[in-house]
Amino acid sequence: TQLLEQSPQFLSIQEGENLTVYCNSSSVFSSLQWYRQEPGEGPVLLVTVVTGGEVKKLKRLTFQFGDARKDSSLHITAAQPGDTGLYLCAGEGDSGYALNFGKGTSLLVTP
Amino acid sequence: EPEVTQTPSHQVTQMGQEVILRCVPISNHLYFYWYRQILGQKVEFLVSFYNNEISEKSEIFDDQFSVERPDGSNFTLKIRSTKLEDSAMYFCATNRGYNSPLHFGNGTRLTVT
Repeated sequence: TQLLEQSPQFLSIQEGENLTVYCNSSSVFSSLQWYRQEPGEGPVLLVTVVTGGEVKKLKRLTFQFGDARKDSSLHITAAQPGDTGLYLCAGEGDSGYALNFGKGTSLLVTP
Repeated sequence: EPEVTQTPSHQVTQMGQEVILRCVPISNHLYFYWYRQILGQKVEFLVSFYNNEISEKSEIFDDQFSVERPDGSNFTLKIRSTKLEDSAMYFCATNRGYNSPLHFGNGTRLTVT
């Protein structure tokens, strides 16, 4: 099983601050996905990164896939309370059907 | 926007009982999955299902678990004889194709007492 380590586990910041969360592995992934999960709901896909070195932007969120396709980061600029949630990264397993998830970073943005 | 629907939202059962969790996939999606999330732990893959058969399953998905699509609409997960450690959120997910975006339902919280 290809393990994904996410850091930090918890992050509490004030509105307007910037933050970066990380997803690391010793394994190479063909792609990595980032999800956001709110309490009582299922994960919602934010982005898929496929090419090593790729950078994707989604409004104030910037996602980067490492050159070696073993790690990824999510940077949020000027965080807002609506960004609060659990951010999960997931990579395809060897067969391509199963997704391996990290444990997630729980983000709290206070006004 | 179409969504994956799961029922019930919460199921409480006694140890040893059978439970069936139900999912209605998005209508043009062909690949179906079950994941679970034990409280405080990561989301774990259970099984994938395509063309009316299991395409992959994890070590968690032992003989106590089964999936089927009984009526071409619902996609169900059955646990034959529940154990305390089966208590978790169970998420159904579907996608249109092998590499297309995965859509999760809001889960069924299973509590085994």
